[in-house]
Amino acid sequence: EADIYQTPRYLVIGTGKKITLECSQTMGHDKMYWYQQDPGMELHLIHYSYGVNSTEKGDLSSESTVSRIRTEHFPLTLESARPSHTSQYLCASSSKTYEQYFGPGTRLTVT
Amino acid sequence: GQQVMQIPQYQHVQEGEDFTTYCNSSTTLSNIQWYKQRPGGHPVFLIQLVKSGEVKKQKRLTFQFGEAKKNSSLHITATQTTDVGTYFCATGMGNQGGKLIFGQGTELSVKP
Repeated sequence: EADIYQTPRYLVIGTGKKITLECSQTMGHDKMYWYQQDPGMELHLIHYSYGVNSTEKGDLSSESTVSRIRTEHFPLTLESARPSHTSQYLCASSSKTYEQYFGPGTRLTVT
Repeated sequence: GQQVMQIPQYQHVQEGEDFTTYCNSSTTLSNIQWYKQRPGGHPVFLIQLVKSGEVKKQKRLTFQFGEAKKNSSLHITATQTTDVGTYFCATGMGNQGGKLIFGQGTELSVKP
């Protein structure tokens, strides 16, 4: 089992609050990703990073931002949460052979 | 852009029956990966196929990559209740450094 961690696992927060979802991996992977997934639905890539100080937006437009100051850490921030942000957020990292290892996810509910 | 279409969206089987999900693309794929996501869980990598016509087996699971590299299948023989979950195919975006395009997933339910 891969070592990738996400906190918090569950978060209920009010509209307008700023939140940061944490993601860390201990495998030394250069590539990391954030996906958004609604229940029973496909995964949508919202951010990715090829390494330190490298971040790109994914295929699904998102109001969130990310940073990559350290290889092992890839946090995602929402400056002002809205009910439309309610979803599951999955962090992943990949090795040189491109299989992706996912964290347990953060289930976000914005009221 | 590149897309992979996955069918069926849902499959309900009796325990012991076989199950197959298909992943199709209109363009040639450089590789195909398969993931399993248990209910309430996160996707877990199962396998990667890269060669035309490649077949790989993991116990009761058989993965195939088409000769033209435009389709793939995952077949489960004699399903068990532990097979319940959503199975996703995904393909790497060539030289775009590890980004994956995921199919819509096939949700498998198994009735004991």
